[in-house]
Amino acid sequence: SQQGEEDPQALSIQEGENATMNCSYKTSINNLQWYRQNSGRGLVHLILIRSNEREKHSGRLRVTLDTSKKSSSLLITASRAADTASYFCATDASGAQKLVFGQGTRLTINP
Amino acid sequence: DAMVIQNPRYQVTQFGKPVTLSCSQTLNHNVMYWYQQKSSQAPKLLFHYYDKDFNNEADTPDNFQSRRPNTSFCFLDIRSPGLGDAAMYLCATSGDSLMDEQFFGPGTRLTVL
Repeated sequence: SQQGEEDPQALSIQEGENATMNCSYKTSINNLQWYRQNSGRGLVHLILIRSNEREKHSGRLRVTLDTSKKSSSLLITASRAADTASYFCATDASGAQKLVFGQGTRLTINP
Repeated sequence: DAMVIQNPRYQVTQFGKPVTLSCSQTLNHNVMYWYQQKSSQAPKLLFHYYDKDFNNEADTPDNFQSRRPNTSFCFLDIRSPGLGDAAMYLCATSGDSLMDEQFFGPGTRLTVL
């Protein structure tokens, strides 16, 4: 069964707006990571947040983690056309000793 | 710049004709991974090497094999490609733990005719 599931599956917003994507997972984790994938390309690591952290920032990105709800969110502020991509969360399910990727959110930024 | 390189970027093969995809890294990372990703799906881990130790995922078909002759290079061999093996194949590395940040190559798009 899927460890991480993103919501929504697809999101389309206007340039300049904020985009929020959510990830839920089933079992306890050591860390949760977010990746971006441009069409036809490899994945690019964005942020890693550990289970004892609640929030991390990187430029226009903000990631929160709520271990009690087993969920994380990725916020992209002031979106740009170049942010158009698929965004994946990946978790290290406790005991699995590997990263498991969710299905991803396809984000489209309209100019 | 340190990076993960995959060759070729696009590969076309015929049904049943063996094919090899290659990956190299200049990061000197211990762990190398091969993922299969089909359209609009999550990357699916096929196997990984921790240094020279090979670790196969339980649901990876026998049709898929891998070699890591040295730290820098890793190969994915598909012995008898079927139509269902058409996908993007992603190579990734991480420093010293399977739960660290992973660095991905650009991928090889495999088409099976």
